[in-house]
Amino acid sequence: ETGVTQTPRHLVMGMTNKKSLKCEQHLGHNAMYWYKQSAKKPLELMFVYSLEERVENNSVPSRFSPECPNSSHLFLHLHTLQPEDSALYLCASSQGPGAYEQYFGPGTRLTVT
Amino acid sequence: AQSVTQLDSQVPVFEEAPVELRCNYSSSVSVYLFWYVQYPNQGLQLLLKYLSGSTLVKGINGFEAEFNKSQTSFHLRKPSVHISDTAEYFCAALTSGTYKYIFGTGTRLKVLA
Repeated sequence: ETGVTQTPRHLVMGMTNKKSLKCEQHLGHNAMYWYKQSAKKPLELMFVYSLEERVENNSVPSRFSPECPNSSHLFLHLHTLQPEDSALYLCASSQGPGAYEQYFGPGTRLTVT
Repeated sequence: AQSVTQLDSQVPVFEEAPVELRCNYSSSVSVYLFWYVQYPNQGLQLLLKYLSGSTLVKGINGFEAEFNKSQTSFHLRKPSVHISDTAEYFCAALTSGTYKYIFGTGTRLKVLA
């Protein structure tokens, strides 16, 4: 595997379910990001991790819980989501958390029913 | 507050014609500016970025952009487009000294044969 991978690619979950999104980067980067991409809306930055430490939480509801166990892996734990949380969730990584090029994964298409 | 505006949601253009995708930003402090491209079912890919120095920035696939501080713009241009340039293009800004990446709503470029 090369670049940034995300699993699963598609996920359908009920409002009472608990699920997790996984992101893995094979680039040796030190920063990782979660974004939410909804139709007709700007890409929204959710979380930023630098060397496994969360450095940015962009006012994201607590039903989204990130975890970064090491610099190569990033998870987004989901629980009691709402239908408006349905979106494409993108993971990205970069050499550092500043003005570096971000490399994006293909995303997880999440549908909350 | 920092914001990024992409006024054109869709731009149709004939193959081999020039194209300009507009991006305006608002920020009271120094910003770094980026253009990303997203092909169907893929993550975003960096086209070019402006950090400092020359205001004309050249990127991949023949794209270039010009940073205009007085007009707070960072328009993307290509002198001759190809069918393969059909994709969605995102402008983004990062305030110097922060991790807050702000994206525009995107411009869908459709190249017609």
